[in-house]
Amino acid sequence: GNSVTQMEGPVTLSEEAFLTINCTYTATGYPSLFWYVQYPGEGLQLLLKATKADDKGSNKGFEATYRKETTSFHLEKGSVQVSDSAVYFCALITASKLTFGTGTRLQVTL
Amino acid sequence: GAVVSQHPSWVICKSGTSVKIECRSLDFQATTMFWYRQFPKQSLMLMATSNEGSKATYEQGVEKDKFLINHASLTLSTLTVTSAHPEDSSFYICSASWGGHTGTDTQYFGPGTRLTVL
Repeated sequence: GNSVTQMEGPVTLSEEAFLTINCTYTATGYPSLFWYVQYPGEGLQLLLKATKADDKGSNKGFEATYRKETTSFHLEKGSVQVSDSAVYFCALITASKLTFGTGTRLQVTL
Repeated sequence: GAVVSQHPSWVICKSGTSVKIECRSLDFQATTMFWYRQFPKQSLMLMATSNEGSKATYEQGVEKDKFLINHASLTLSTLTVTSAHPEDSSFYICSASWGGHTGTDTQYFGPGTRLTVL
Protein backbone atom coordinates (compact mmCIF):
# COMPACT_ATOMS: atom_id res chain seq x y z
CA GLY A 1 0.00 0.00 0.00
CA ASN A 2 0.90 3.66 -0.14
CA SER A 3 2.76 5.35 2.67
CA VAL A 4 4.42 8.65 3.49
CA THR A 5 7.23 9.07 5.98
CA GLN A 6 8.15 12.44 7.41
CA MET A 7 10.88 13.43 9.78
CA GLU A 8 9.66 13.63 13.33
CA GLY A 9 9.36 16.96 14.97
CA PRO A 10 9.19 19.28 16.55
CA VAL A 11 11.65 21.29 14.53
CA THR A 12 12.73 24.46 16.28
CA LEU A 13 14.53 27.15 14.30
CA SER A 14 15.50 30.74 14.75
CA GLU A 15 13.98 33.29 12.41
CA GLU A 16 15.81 33.53 9.07
CA ALA A 17 17.23 30.02 9.42
CA PHE A 18 17.13 27.50 6.56
CA LEU A 19 14.42 24.88 6.74
CA THR A 20 14.37 21.33 5.45
CA ILE A 21 11.63 18.86 6.28
CA ASN A 22 12.28 15.44 4.82
CA CYS A 23 9.56 13.39 3.18
CA THR A 24 9.82 10.03 1.44
CA TYR A 25 7.07 7.91 0.01
CA THR A 26 6.12 4.53 -1.32
CA ALA A 27 3.31 4.26 -3.81
CA THR A 28 1.89 2.21 -6.60
CA GLY A 29 1.36 3.98 -9.86
CA TYR A 30 2.25 7.61 -10.43
CA PRO A 31 1.18 9.73 -7.48
CA SER A 32 0.91 13.46 -7.22
CA LEU A 33 2.70 14.87 -4.19
CA PHE A 34 1.62 17.63 -1.86
CA TRP A 35 2.65 19.65 1.12
CA TYR A 36 -0.15 20.92 3.31
CA VAL A 37 0.22 23.32 6.24
CA GLN A 38 -2.00 23.46 9.31
CA TYR A 39 -1.92 26.52 11.50
CA PRO A 40 -3.11 26.21 15.11
CA GLY A 41 -6.84 25.60 15.32
CA GLU A 42 -7.32 25.60 11.57
CA GLY A 43 -7.81 23.08 8.79
CA LEU A 44 -5.24 22.14 6.20
CA GLN A 45 -4.15 24.54 3.52
CA LEU A 46 -2.48 23.43 0.34
CA LEU A 47 1.04 24.80 0.35
CA LEU A 48 2.41 23.37 -2.87
CA LYS A 49 2.19 20.37 -5.13
CA ALA A 50 3.98 18.49 -7.90
CA THR A 51 2.32 16.12 -10.29
CA LYS A 52 5.21 14.35 -12.00
CA ALA A 53 8.86 13.50 -11.62
CA ASP A 54 11.28 16.46 -11.53
CA ASP A 55 8.45 18.96 -11.07
CA LYS A 56 9.17 21.64 -8.51
CA GLY A 57 6.32 23.03 -6.48
CA SER A 58 6.76 26.42 -4.87
CA ASN A 59 4.72 28.87 -2.85
CA LYS A 60 5.41 31.56 -0.24
CA GLY A 61 9.14 30.90 -0.41
CA PHE A 62 8.72 27.16 0.15
CA GLU A 63 9.92 24.68 -2.46
CA ALA A 64 9.84 20.93 -2.98
CA THR A 65 11.04 18.82 -5.92
CA TYR A 66 9.45 15.52 -6.92
CA ARG A 67 12.37 13.07 -6.95
CA LYS A 68 11.28 9.77 -8.37
CA GLU A 69 14.71 8.15 -8.13
CA THR A 70 14.85 8.72 -4.38
CA THR A 71 11.05 8.71 -3.84
CA SER A 72 11.35 11.97 -1.97
CA PHE A 73 9.64 15.33 -1.78
CA HIS A 74 11.60 17.34 0.77
CA LEU A 75 10.26 20.74 1.78
CA GLU A 76 12.71 23.65 1.92
CA LYS A 77 12.66 27.34 2.70
CA GLY A 78 15.65 29.60 2.66
CA SER A 79 14.62 31.93 5.49
CA VAL A 80 11.82 31.04 7.86
CA GLN A 81 9.67 33.52 9.73
CA VAL A 82 7.82 33.28 13.02
CA SER A 83 4.59 33.19 11.02
CA ASP A 84 5.69 29.91 9.43
CA SER A 85 5.19 28.14 12.75
CA ALA A 86 2.68 25.38 12.00
CA VAL A 87 2.38 21.68 11.33
CA TYR A 88 3.44 20.55 7.86
CA PHE A 89 2.01 17.43 6.25
CA CYS A 90 3.49 15.66 3.28
CA ALA A 91 0.94 13.69 1.26
CA LEU A 92 0.49 11.73 -1.92
CA ILE A 93 -2.60 10.90 -3.90
CA THR A 94 -3.44 7.96 -6.09
CA ALA A 95 -6.89 6.78 -7.17
CA SER A 96 -8.38 9.86 -5.48
CA LYS A 97 -7.16 8.75 -2.07
CA LEU A 98 -4.82 10.98 -0.10
CA THR A 99 -2.24 9.40 2.14
CA PHE A 100 -0.70 11.70 4.72
CA GLY A 101 2.48 11.62 6.67
CA THR A 102 2.24 12.09 10.42
CA GLY A 103 3.07 15.78 10.21
CA THR A 104 6.08 17.79 11.36
CA ARG A 105 5.62 20.62 13.80
CA LEU A 106 7.77 23.67 13.06
CA GLN A 107 8.39 26.27 15.72
CA VAL A 108 10.21 29.42 14.69
CA THR A 109 11.52 31.73 17.37
CA LEU A 110 12.84 35.28 17.28
CA GLY B 1 -10.56 30.19 -5.64
CA ALA B 2 -11.23 26.64 -4.37
CA VAL B 3 -12.71 27.64 -1.03
CA VAL B 4 -14.34 25.06 1.18
CA SER B 5 -16.34 26.00 4.25
CA GLN B 6 -17.59 23.97 7.18
CA HIS B 7 -20.36 24.66 9.63
CA PRO B 8 -20.33 24.75 12.54
CA SER B 9 -16.70 25.42 13.39
CA TRP B 10 -17.21 23.92 16.81
CA VAL B 11 -20.02 22.14 18.57
CA ILE B 12 -20.62 20.76 22.03
CA CYS B 13 -23.35 18.20 22.53
CA LYS B 14 -24.63 15.78 25.11
CA SER B 15 -23.94 12.09 24.87
CA GLY B 16 -26.63 10.28 22.88
CA THR B 17 -27.58 13.18 20.65
CA SER B 18 -26.87 13.52 16.94
CA VAL B 19 -24.81 16.25 15.34
CA LYS B 20 -24.78 17.36 11.71
CA ILE B 21 -21.73 18.99 10.11
CA GLU B 22 -21.98 20.72 6.75
CA CYS B 23 -19.26 21.01 4.15
CA ARG B 24 -19.68 23.39 1.23
CA SER B 25 -17.58 24.18 -1.80
CA LEU B 26 -18.12 27.90 -2.27
CA ASP B 27 -16.70 28.65 -5.70
CA PHE B 28 -16.56 25.34 -7.51
CA GLN B 29 -18.60 22.23 -8.06
CA ALA B 30 -17.15 19.34 -6.12
CA THR B 31 -17.66 16.00 -7.79
CA THR B 32 -16.08 14.30 -4.81
CA MET B 33 -16.01 15.18 -1.15
CA PHE B 34 -14.02 13.52 1.59
CA TRP B 35 -14.42 13.36 5.35
CA TYR B 36 -11.45 13.03 7.65
CA ARG B 37 -10.99 12.75 11.36
CA GLN B 38 -7.97 14.12 13.15
CA PHE B 39 -6.94 13.22 16.66
CA PRO B 40 -4.76 15.60 18.67
CA LYS B 41 -1.22 15.82 17.32
CA GLN B 42 -1.90 13.13 14.77
CA SER B 43 -2.40 12.97 11.06
CA LEU B 44 -5.71 12.88 9.24
CA MET B 45 -7.59 9.64 8.94
CA LEU B 46 -9.87 9.27 5.94
CA MET B 47 -13.33 8.21 7.03
CA ALA B 48 -15.25 8.17 3.78
CA THR B 49 -15.44 9.37 0.21
CA SER B 50 -18.65 10.61 -1.33
CA ASN B 51 -19.65 11.42 -4.85
CA GLU B 52 -22.64 13.58 -5.61
CA GLY B 53 -25.79 11.49 -5.83
CA SER B 54 -24.10 8.28 -4.77
CA LYS B 55 -23.68 6.41 -1.53
CA ALA B 56 -20.52 7.16 0.36
CA THR B 57 -17.63 4.71 0.38
CA TYR B 58 -16.42 4.15 3.93
CA GLU B 59 -12.93 3.19 4.99
CA GLN B 60 -12.37 -0.01 6.87
CA GLY B 61 -13.26 0.34 10.53
CA VAL B 62 -15.58 3.31 10.09
CA GLU B 63 -19.15 2.61 11.17
CA LYS B 64 -21.55 3.50 8.39
CA ASP B 65 -24.56 3.69 10.67
CA LYS B 66 -22.81 5.98 13.09
CA PHE B 67 -21.31 8.41 10.60
CA LEU B 68 -23.98 9.16 8.03
CA ILE B 69 -22.79 10.99 4.96
CA ASN B 70 -25.01 12.68 2.43
CA HIS B 71 -23.76 14.37 -0.74
CA ALA B 72 -26.97 15.79 -2.12
CA SER B 73 -25.51 18.38 -4.45
CA LEU B 74 -22.25 19.36 -6.10
CA THR B 75 -21.63 21.97 -3.43
CA LEU B 76 -22.83 20.35 -0.23
CA SER B 77 -22.00 17.27 1.78
CA THR B 78 -23.11 16.56 5.33
CA LEU B 79 -21.72 14.31 8.03
CA THR B 80 -24.10 13.30 10.81
CA VAL B 81 -22.62 11.74 13.91
CA THR B 82 -25.49 9.70 15.33
CA SER B 83 -25.88 8.93 19.01
CA ALA B 84 -22.61 10.66 19.77
CA HIS B 85 -20.44 9.52 22.65
CA PRO B 86 -17.38 11.10 24.27
CA GLU B 87 -15.04 8.91 22.21
CA ASP B 88 -16.44 10.60 19.08
CA SER B 89 -14.98 13.90 20.23
CA SER B 90 -12.52 14.93 17.57
CA PHE B 91 -11.66 17.38 14.82
CA TYR B 92 -13.61 16.56 11.67
CA ILE B 93 -12.33 17.94 8.40
CA CYS B 94 -13.86 17.76 4.95
CA SER B 95 -12.22 18.26 1.61
CA ALA B 96 -13.47 18.60 -1.92
CA SER B 97 -12.13 18.06 -5.38
CA TRP B 98 -13.39 18.22 -8.93
CA GLY B 99 -12.61 16.32 -12.08
CA GLY B 100 -11.80 12.95 -10.66
CA HIS B 101 -10.66 11.60 -13.96
CA THR B 102 -7.04 10.98 -13.05
CA GLY B 103 -7.45 10.13 -9.40
CA THR B 104 -4.71 12.60 -8.53
CA ASP B 105 -6.77 15.73 -8.25
CA THR B 106 -5.95 18.28 -5.60
CA GLN B 107 -8.21 18.26 -2.57
CA TYR B 108 -9.13 21.54 -0.92
CA PHE B 109 -9.83 21.40 2.76
CA GLY B 110 -12.37 23.04 4.96
CA PRO B 111 -11.32 24.69 8.22
CA GLY B 112 -12.58 21.79 10.31
CA THR B 113 -15.23 21.26 12.96
CA ARG B 114 -14.30 20.52 16.53
CA LEU B 115 -16.82 18.21 18.13
CA THR B 116 -16.92 17.78 21.90
CA VAL B 117 -19.33 15.24 23.32
CA LEU B 118 -20.03 15.58 27.02
